[in-house]
Amino acid sequence: AQKITQTQPGMFVQEKEAVTLDCTYDTSDPSYGLFWYKQPSSGEMIFLIYQGSYDQQNATEGRYSLNFQKARKSANLVISASQLGDSAMYFCAMREGRGGGFKTIFGAGTRLFVKA
Amino acid sequence: EAQVTQNPRYLITVTGKKLTVTCSQNMNHEYMSWYRQDPGLGLRQIYYSMNVEATDKGDVPEGYKVSRKEKRNFPLILESPSPNQTSLYFCASREDGRLYNSPLHFGNGTRLTVT
Repeated sequence: AQKITQTQPGMFVQEKEAVTLDCTYDTSDPSYGLFWYKQPSSGEMIFLIYQGSYDQQNATEGRYSLNFQKARKSANLVISASQLGDSAMYFCAMREGRGGGFKTIFGAGTRLFVKA
Repeated sequence: EAQVTQNPRYLITVTGKKLTVTCSQNMNHEYMSWYRQDPGLGLRQIYYSMNVEATDKGDVPEGYKVSRKEKRNFPLILESPSPNQTSLYFCASREDGRLYNSPLHFGNGTRLTVT
C-alpha cells in the first residue's frame, strides 16, 4: 500500500539558516511523482516543488530543493536561507499512476517555525 | 485569474442536516478531488473525478457523495452530517489526472463544524 511518512511533527530553525524536512514513501509502482506543499497559517495550500521517479537530478525551485534518494525511498525538502515567512505547515505528497488509481496521498505534515 | 473556488469558507451545522459544499475551477482541468484535513492525519482523499461523469472513491468516502455533471464543478454532499465529519475540507484540481508532474491546485478550504 502506498504510504507517506513525515516523522517530524514540528521543527525550529533560525532565520537565514537551512533546514531539512524529512519525507519517506512506500510504493511498489515504478512510476510516481513526489510533491511538497506549503500551508501557511492562512490555510491555503501552495505547491512548492516536484520530483519524478525517473528524474536523474534533484529538483530545485529557488530556495527549495528536493533531496531525492530513490533507493532509500526518501524525498526530503531542503529550504535554504530560511525566512520568517517560511513558518508554515509542510506536506509531502506522492501520486502513483494507474496502479495506484491516480490518487495523491499526503503525509501528516511538519510544522516549521522560523525564529528571528 | 486561474483558481479553484470553494464555498462556503466556514459552515456550522447540526447533525443530520444535509449540506453541499460547492467547488468550481476555471482552468478546464479534467481531474478534481476532495480532501479532508485533520490534525496529525494530513490530507485524506474523499472522492476524485477523472472527468465528467467519472467519479471514484478515495480513502475516506463514507458519509459523502459527489457528482460531476460539468467539467468545472465538483460539489461535495453530506446527506446526513455527523460530528466526526467536522474537519477542514479542500477541493483540488489538476490539468490531467494521468500526468505525474501536474500539481494539484487547491481551493481555499471549507471549515465545517457539525454539532
